[in-house]
Amino acid sequence: DAGVIQSPRHEVTEMGQEVTLRCKPISGHNSLFWYRQTMMRGLELLIYFNNNVPIDDSGMPEDRFSAKMPNASFSTLKIQPSEPRDSAVYFCASSYQGLNTEAFFGQGTRLTVV
Amino acid sequence: QKEVEQDPGPLSVPEGAIVSLNCTYSNSAFQYFMWYRQYSRKGPELLMYTYSSGNKEDGRFTAQVDKSSKYISLFIRDSQPSDSATYLCAASPYGNNRLAFGKGNQVVVIP
Repeated sequence: DAGVIQSPRHEVTEMGQEVTLRCKPISGHNSLFWYRQTMMRGLELLIYFNNNVPIDDSGMPEDRFSAKMPNASFSTLKIQPSEPRDSAVYFCASSYQGLNTEAFFGQGTRLTVV
Repeated sequence: QKEVEQDPGPLSVPEGAIVSLNCTYSNSAFQYFMWYRQYSRKGPELLMYTYSSGNKEDGRFTAQVDKSSKYISLFIRDSQPSDSATYLCAASPYGNNRLAFGKGNQVVVIP
């Protein structure tokens, strides 16, 4: 298996623009997580899906952020409009739901908003 | 205050030394404790996984959890240059769901 696949790997955009990050989870996994990593705050959970349904979005910072999972093999995280403080590395992770299962992370998308 | 606190200071050690990393947490509901390793420009990968209090050993790595003091530790024996990475502690009440991470410690093992 190729693991969790994220695209793009790097994104540079201007403030105010819409940004869409994409994630393909590992086949067969039914839980998907979006995290954000910054030097100041570390790794933070933004939203968690189970069986394509958002379960906990309490970590989504603002209404500018939205996430969807239209099917079991694809998820998006959208920021509209983007701001410089959104600059971070965004990770997607997937797992098979269970208490003793491992969450596998993608390579991340490094977002820079100028 | 973050639910999991990890002093993010970098750590440099000579090859063969013991590396000691630790975290504290505040949420009494946490039952699952993990250590992730993250190489530069990569995603985190699970290194150690512990349920409740106690020790767990895997080769050169030992994870300890003391729920009475809300303290999480990772020890790396006979450290190798390939151990150079950032180590993140994490905890959750529900397995891999809703993981709360520490900020991570960058470890450099000098040959």
